[in-house]
Amino acid sequence: QKEVEQNSGPLSVPEGAIASLNCTYSDRGSQSFFWYRQYSGKSPELIMSIYSNGDKEDGRFTAQLNKASQYVSLLIRDSQPSDSATYLCAVSSSASKIIFGSGTRLSIRP
Amino acid sequence: EPEVTQTPSHQVTQMGQEVILRCVPISNHLYFYWYRQILGQKVEFLVSFYNNEISEKSEIFDDQFSVERPDGSNFTLKIRSTKLEDSAMYFCASSDQENYGYTFGSGTRLTVV
Repeated sequence: QKEVEQNSGPLSVPEGAIASLNCTYSDRGSQSFFWYRQYSGKSPELIMSIYSNGDKEDGRFTAQLNKASQYVSLLIRDSQPSDSATYLCAVSSSASKIIFGSGTRLSIRP
Repeated sequence: EPEVTQTPSHQVTQMGQEVILRCVPISNHLYFYWYRQILGQKVEFLVSFYNNEISEKSEIFDDQFSVERPDGSNFTLKIRSTKLEDSAMYFCASSDQENYGYTFGSGTRLTVV
């Protein structure tokens, strides 16, 4: 069974600090990795995708991928209250689908 | 910004009834998906669809479920005989390339009573 594992949280971070979210996956053949943000009652929104080892930065967000360790992370710099949401790690388990972790709830405290 | 449109936003149905959930993917996208999320649980894959046929389906997607692209714009999910456990948020998604990030619609909340 291919799995994507995340700590459920909640992860509480003060405003302006760095939030660090982690994810591990079981399928070594996975090629594509994504971070989605989901506000309560809303649909997942793609915020980052990463396909090769290393770091990828987009504004305040940095995704990190280590395929040898089967580990993906997301850093959010200068955290804002609007970043409070559930962050979903998603991994391609075949060419035809991505599978999601159960998400980490992030709370940014003022 | 292009978006995936889903209708209705909320549907209540009696157990055993058929429901059709509708989606209009982004116009230049070729890959289409249905996911569901039971309240408080993870987003679960149901089915992927490309070139007018199913590419992959999950164990959840049994004979009660079917998908169709009846015209050039709509993509539908039919549940033939709903059960209480089908109550969930159903998300349609589309992408323009395989293994690229998907754009999700706003979802249909299905409540089976």
